[in-house]
Amino acid sequence: DGGITQSPKYLFRKEGQNVTLSCEQNLNHDAMYWYRQDPGQGLRLIYYSQIVNDFQKGDIAEGYSVSREKKESFPLTVTSAQKNPTAFYLCASNSPWAGSTGANVLTFGAGSRLTVL
Amino acid sequence: EDQVTQSPEALRLQEGESSSLNCSYTVSGLRGLFWYRQDPGKGPEFLFTLYSAGEEKEKERLKATLTKKESFLHITAPKPEDSATYLCAVFGSGNTGKLIFGQGTTLQVKP
Repeated sequence: DGGITQSPKYLFRKEGQNVTLSCEQNLNHDAMYWYRQDPGQGLRLIYYSQIVNDFQKGDIAEGYSVSREKKESFPLTVTSAQKNPTAFYLCASNSPWAGSTGANVLTFGAGSRLTVL
Repeated sequence: EDQVTQSPEALRLQEGESSSLNCSYTVSGLRGLFWYRQDPGKGPEFLFTLYSAGEEKEKERLKATLTKKESFLHITAPKPEDSATYLCAVFGSGNTGKLIFGQGTTLQVKP
């Protein structure tokens, strides 16, 4: 079945450590996204990529980094510069905007929960 | 600036008690309004896309409607399994591919 796989589901980080969250999709989607979700807040965009080897900052990119070396993969690194990294992280993908009738639907992974110890 | 506001933040219903969730938006050039359902600890699951004012879509006990300023998600005779957080998001012509999400409405349906 086609879908998005995020790993690990749960991750614990010590102060000063970098951690990397994995996101893999087999939907043949060109665009991939990383969102952060905090209690009582909407999803906030961290980074997105519309094509391999290219990505753009979202609204809260500080303290995060990404790479897009393959169409299927879009890993997110939470660096030690991110002061409040405890959150639920969601990866998503879709086909790029095409046509005049509307945007294509985002498909989400199951999420990764990061906790700072 | 594009913005999405959902109300109420939380809603408690008795099984069978119909109600509506609201999503108000301001966006330049709406290209799509999306409704998602999210269960605790899981990723959002797509429900509907609406593209133009007056459009309506239905799925089981859910019906989504769209005006030029807001969207409603009507829940008819809800069941406990409808309990979840419902997210609204918009895609505008100025967003360069980004969806703007509201903060969500958490629905609890009691038997």
